Amino acid sequence: NAGVTQTPKFRVLKTGQSMTLLCAQDMNHEYMYWYRQDPGMGLRLIHYSVGEGTTAKGEVPDGYNVSRLKKQNFLLGLESAAPSQTSVYFCASSYLQGILQPQHFGDGTRLSIL
Amino acid sequence: GENVEQHPSTLSVQEGDSAVIKCTYSDSASNYFPWYKQELGKRPQLIIDIRSNVGEKKDQRIAVTLNKTAKHFSLHITETQPEDSAVYFCAASGRGSTLGRLYFGRGTQLTVWP
Repeated sequence: NAGVTQTPKFRVLKTGQSMTLLCAQDMNHEYMYWYRQDPGMGLRLIHYSVGEGTTAKGEVPDGYNVSRLKKQNFLLGLESAAPSQTSVYFCASSYLQGILQPQHFGDGTRLSIL
Repeated sequence: GENVEQHPSTLSVQEGDSAVIKCTYSDSASNYFPWYKQELGKRPQLIIDIRSNVGEKKDQRIAVTLNKTAKHFSLHITETQPEDSAVYFCAASGRGSTLGRLYFGRGTQLTVWP
């Protein structure tokens, strides 16, 4: 049981390049989330999904797109990377069992945009 | 949406002393309040959580209290140890159209000096 797995762990991009971050969970969780973490800013929600085929905007969605084609996977895309998107990206998952359950986080992806 | 404020942003204590971190939230309908610990370069990990039907919860040296009337909750760590040094995040749950979301505070950097 791997929990939440993020790939890649590190990446360096040039401004204007595109890339996709992959999050996979093996806990059969309905909810999945993408956060970015910058110094002093805490965890800010980019997009999230409450089930397969659904996505919703979070606090800082601009410049990112997401897809949830399979329940276990949640992809985060940067179509044209900008230096302001340099950050650590965390994926998380959780579920409802009558009431909201804790979010489980992946190890993060460290992304630098030059 | 929900707004969570966390204080202090930094906290230094001597080993063996107690540490208290406080959070306030704005939406009286929030009903789930987790606390996460994040060590340097690691993922956030849940350390304790509390739901709105409970006023206090303890787990060894860690306790959380919730005051629904005042809309604030606090993390208490007793007999602190150097390995407690980390960033701590509080969060509050969303409701209705934002059910499943967590709104995070900006974090508290706790340093425990030996």
